[in-house]
Amino acid sequence: DSGVTQTPKHLITATGQRVTLRCSPRSGDLSVYWYQQSLDQGLQFLIQYYNGEERAKGNILERFSAQQFPDLHSELNLSSLELGDSALYFCASSVSSGGAKYNEQFFGPGTRLTVL
Amino acid sequence: EDKVVQSPLSLVVHEGDTVTLNCSYEVTNFRSLLWYKQEKKAPTFLFMLTSSGIEKKSGRLSSILDKKELFSILNITATQTGDSAVYLCAPPGGFKTIFGAGTRLFVKA
Repeated sequence: DSGVTQTPKHLITATGQRVTLRCSPRSGDLSVYWYQQSLDQGLQFLIQYYNGEERAKGNILERFSAQQFPDLHSELNLSSLELGDSALYFCASSVSSGGAKYNEQFFGPGTRLTVL
Repeated sequence: EDKVVQSPLSLVVHEGDTVTLNCSYEVTNFRSLLWYKQEKKAPTFLFMLTSSGIEKKSGRLSSILDKKELFSILNITATQTGDSAVYLCAPPGGFKTIFGAGTRLFVKA
């Protein structure tokens, strides 16, 4: 158990719908990272927050957005869902944001999203 | 553009064999290189390497980094069926983290 929690574990929804995935980082970690993992794409970095502020963006679609709240939990919002959005979505956390003092990322168990 | 290449993509060995997994990278603002093991769930952290030539060890696993030649290797000795997994490397560049496609290792009993 990494100490990172994600809810829900599974989500089944229809095309065109909107969903919210939630992540709570390990105690003491200030950074949250979101990743998408689908069968043919591997682990793709989406976005990172550090202490409430966006720090880095990867290949995140405009239909997707995220935020980190004052209590440091984070939410990933996916809207106008398409079949191709079906994937495992992981959240990870680390102590620092990067720079000279990079720390390892610890992954949550993931949310499996199925879009029908 | 940042790039991470892992090789081989897949590997099948017998229990007791030794394997070497490779990770080459090109990233801006290199800080460290991370290795993860992923079974049918979330990636679990194995090693973080920040300096060249210093071998990190954990039981039968060890890893080393070459910052001049921009690669890292992960060695697993006396492999066991429980080592079957996908091994991922990630050299975070600045704030982004780019993962390699992974090496899928299958250890036969």
